[in-house]
Amino acid sequence: AQSVTQPDIHITVSEGASLELRCNYSYGATPYLFWYVQSPGQGLQLLLKYFSGDTLVQGIKGFEAEFKRSQSSFNLRKPSVHWSDAAEYFCAVGGNSGYSTLTFGKGTMLLVSP
Amino acid sequence: GAVVSQHPSRVICKSGTSVKIECRSLDFQATTMFWYRQFPKQSLMLMATSNEGSKATYEQGVEKDKFLINHASLTLSTLTVTSAHPEDSSFYICSAGRGQYDGYTFGSGTRLTVV
Repeated sequence: AQSVTQPDIHITVSEGASLELRCNYSYGATPYLFWYVQSPGQGLQLLLKYFSGDTLVQGIKGFEAEFKRSQSSFNLRKPSVHWSDAAEYFCAVGGNSGYSTLTFGKGTMLLVSP
Repeated sequence: GAVVSQHPSRVICKSGTSVKIECRSLDFQATTMFWYRQFPKQSLMLMATSNEGSKATYEQGVEKDKFLINHASLTLSTLTVTSAHPEDSSFYICSAGRGQYDGYTFGSGTRLTVV
């Protein structure tokens, strides 16, 4: 069975500091990996996705993530956090089809301090 | 492009009544749509997979007679919560699969409150 672990329930980062959100996955085949962001009371917005190829993936809003197969990880990073980045972040894993189901991690709440 | 519209965004209903939530893909055809439920401060739990023109596939533990899903066209799927009770109060989110390698687009969610 596929699973996603986000070990940090919440993280506080100072504005302008760098950010790394951790994600580990378990999947029996080649995974498709996603990072989504959710603001309170809103749906999910895709930040970036990894299907194949270059293991360093660039996304929107200055985010990037690196796929490390040996560590079963797909950590999300941003070099300089803005106050507007405060939100809930979800890592997800799915199969190699846009019709397969996604399994989400429990999410990491990012708080940005002034 | 790739917009999924979900309505209503918020709904309050009385216990025992039914509520319908719509999920529309506005600029693409979605043969598969997914319905999730999210409890406060928790992750998304998949409820069912909706395939156009066929019966939905429900996840284990989800009551298919309570959560009726219809996917009558390539752009519309509906979730009807029947005989709603306060414990059905939650945030419901739909997503549409755009095909291989294209990923998924999520609706903005529906906050259901049953009083």
